[in-house]
Amino acid sequence: NAGVTQTPKFQVLKTGQSMTLQCAQDMNHEYMSWYRQDPGMGLRLIHYSVGAGITDQGEVPNGYNVSRSTTEDFPLRLLSAAPSQTSVYFCASSYWGARIAEAFFGQGTRLTVV
Amino acid sequence: AQTVTQSQPEMSVQEAETVTLSCTYDTSESDYYLFWYKQPPSRQMILVIRQEAYKQQNATENRFSVNFQKAAKSFSLKISDSQLGDAAMYFCALLYSGGGADGLTFGKGTHLIIQP
Repeated sequence: NAGVTQTPKFQVLKTGQSMTLQCAQDMNHEYMSWYRQDPGMGLRLIHYSVGAGITDQGEVPNGYNVSRSTTEDFPLRLLSAAPSQTSVYFCASSYWGARIAEAFFGQGTRLTVV
Repeated sequence: AQTVTQSQPEMSVQEAETVTLSCTYDTSESDYYLFWYKQPPSRQMILVIRQEAYKQQNATENRFSVNFQKAAKSFSLKISDSQLGDAAMYFCALLYSGGGADGLTFGKGTHLIIQP
């Protein structure tokens, strides 16, 4: 019963470094997404995917890239980290197009950019 | 664009009492879902309750129930017999079910404190 697995749980980066946040799900969900959570804000959508090979931008996509080569994996790449990207990142997955719309979340990654 | 507003940044309740968390939203769509998520200090996002907009009956899950007023665009969460384990951030969220590609729109959250 792994659900949605995110790695790492914590990360400190220096400004300008790049890294990839990993997300994997084992529920055969078509829809996967990345959110960021900042203090005093709700979660905001960064990027999403409705299936392998299909991705699109959410509300706050700048500075992030995604790809979806398999149904299971949806990595989030920070190309050149900035202090403004200090946040908690959540990956989520759900069925697509079904009436059951519950999103399952990973445990989050706390990222600090110094 | 959709918006979700939680007007109570923090609420406090005595253990075993009842508390209601408020949520209002705005959407031009007629078919959507509404959710309440709980986020304890562990950071895990836990689904508390879900409401389909086309259903008139209010959803209930054990001690958790909602008051869904579609015309008023209001979706409040009532927690009965509050327990210490209910202490957490609570987020109201909306999902347009016409495609869902826009993902969930979240409110800013309400920090619920349970006084022993």
